[in-house]
Amino acid sequence: NAGVTQTPKFQVLKTGQSMTLQCAQDMNHNSMYWYRQDPGMGLRLIYYSASEGTTDKGEVPNGYNVSRLNKREFSLRLESAAPSQTSVYFCASKRTQSNQPQHFGDGTRLSIL
Amino acid sequence: GENVEQHPSTLSVQEGDSAVIKCTYSDSASNYFPWYKQELGKRPQLIIDIRSNVGEKKDQRIAVTLNKTAKHFSLHITETQPEDSAVYFCAAVEGAAGNKLTFGGGTRVLVKP
Repeated sequence: NAGVTQTPKFQVLKTGQSMTLQCAQDMNHNSMYWYRQDPGMGLRLIYYSASEGTTDKGEVPNGYNVSRLNKREFSLRLESAAPSQTSVYFCASKRTQSNQPQHFGDGTRLSIL
Repeated sequence: GENVEQHPSTLSVQEGDSAVIKCTYSDSASNYFPWYKQELGKRPQLIIDIRSNVGEKKDQRIAVTLNKTAKHFSLHITETQPEDSAVYFCAAVEGAAGNKLTFGGGTRVLVKP
């Protein structure tokens, strides 16, 4: 099992460009999450999908959109990238049952110039 | 929503000593509290978690305690080793549904040989 796989691992964009970050999990988890982590800081939730077909905003959703493509895949889109979106983006997934741990991918390091 | 505060932000200990990290949370309905370790440039990895039906849990050199009345929980690392050097994050689930985690700001632990 690969767990949670994120692509790409690194990306540099220019201001105003668009990009989609991909996330896939092979653990048959129902819930999936997107976080951003700025240097020296904690994890802030951007969007999540409690189950296939549903998505909800987290703490910092502005400037992002998500798509839950199927049970395995949850993508994050930046429509018009801004320097303030320079960050490390982590995808995570967990089982449906409450009080289960989230499992993280290796992250995408995104720089916007 | 949930608010999680974590202290201290940095902690330097001598190899072999103990390290303690404390977190407080605001949502009295929270009932699941995971701890993650993040090494430099890596993903957060679950090291231990505790559910509200127990007050303490131990796994080798790591233990977590929970005080639901006071709404705080702590991570204890005994006999610290250089490989324990990392950033540690506490988290609390929002509400009883358990779909979202709120993370503390992190503690950077440095174990000096």
